Amino acid sequence: EAGVAQSPRYKIIEKRQSVAFWCNPISGHATLYWYQQILGQGPKLLIQFQNNGVVDDSQLPKDRFSAERLKGVDSTLKIQPAKLEDSAVYLCASSSKRDTSSYNSPLHFGNGTRLTVT
Amino acid sequence: GDSVTQMEGPVTLSEEAFLTINCTYTATGYPSLFWYVQYPGEGLQLLLKATKADDKGSNKGFEATYRKETTSFHLEKGSVQVSDSAVYFCAPVKSGTYKYIFGTGTRLKVLA
Repeated sequence: EAGVAQSPRYKIIEKRQSVAFWCNPISGHATLYWYQQILGQGPKLLIQFQNNGVVDDSQLPKDRFSAERLKGVDSTLKIQPAKLEDSAVYLCASSSKRDTSSYNSPLHFGNGTRLTVT
Repeated sequence: GDSVTQMEGPVTLSEEAFLTINCTYTATGYPSLFWYVQYPGEGLQLLLKATKADDKGSNKGFEATYRKETTSFHLEKGSVQVSDSAVYFCAPVKSGTYKYIFGTGTRLKVLA
C-alpha cells in the first residue's frame, strides 16, 4: 500500500510570511494527525482529525495555525504569519479505525516537511 | 498529567554490542505501549508494540516487555548493527484514546 504522502519536503520562508503543507493519508485511514517536531524533541500533536471532524486541537496555536481535512481525505496545515520558533519538521500521520478496539492501531507517518523560518 | 521519560542520548555502541534504552511512563489506566524509530531524513515508523501487562513486543531483533508494576517498557537488542543507528521514541497511548505521548527520543549511534 502507498504510504502517507507529504509535500513539500523542505520550505524556507521569512518571518511573517505564510506557508502551507499538504498531506495525503493512506487510503481508508479515518484518523489523521499533524505533529510538530522541533529539533532534538519528540513529536508534539497539533491537531487530530477523525474523518473530516476535529477531535483534538488543544495544542494548535489558533491565532496563526489552521488546518482542514477536505472530504475526510487530504489535509492542509497553514501557518500565517510564521514566527522564528515555528522552524521545525511538520509530520503528518494516519491510522485506521475499524472498531472500538483499534486504539492499538499504529500511526503511519509521512517523511515530513522541514520548515525553516528566517 | 501523563508523561514518558526516556534515557538521554546519544548512546554510542560498537557493532554487536547489547543495547538497552530505558523508558518509563506515568499514565492513568492501562496504556498501550509503542516504540517508534526514526531513521535519518525519514518519518517515524513503528518498531514494536505491547497492549497489555507482561506482553512482549518484538521486531527486527528488538524486544520490549510491558512491565505494569514498574511502569516501564525498556527496549533491548542483543547485537546491534550499524543500520540500527537512528532515533528511538517510546510512546504510550492514553487508555481509551488515540492520544500518543511521545518521549524526547534517544539517539543511537552504532560504530563499525
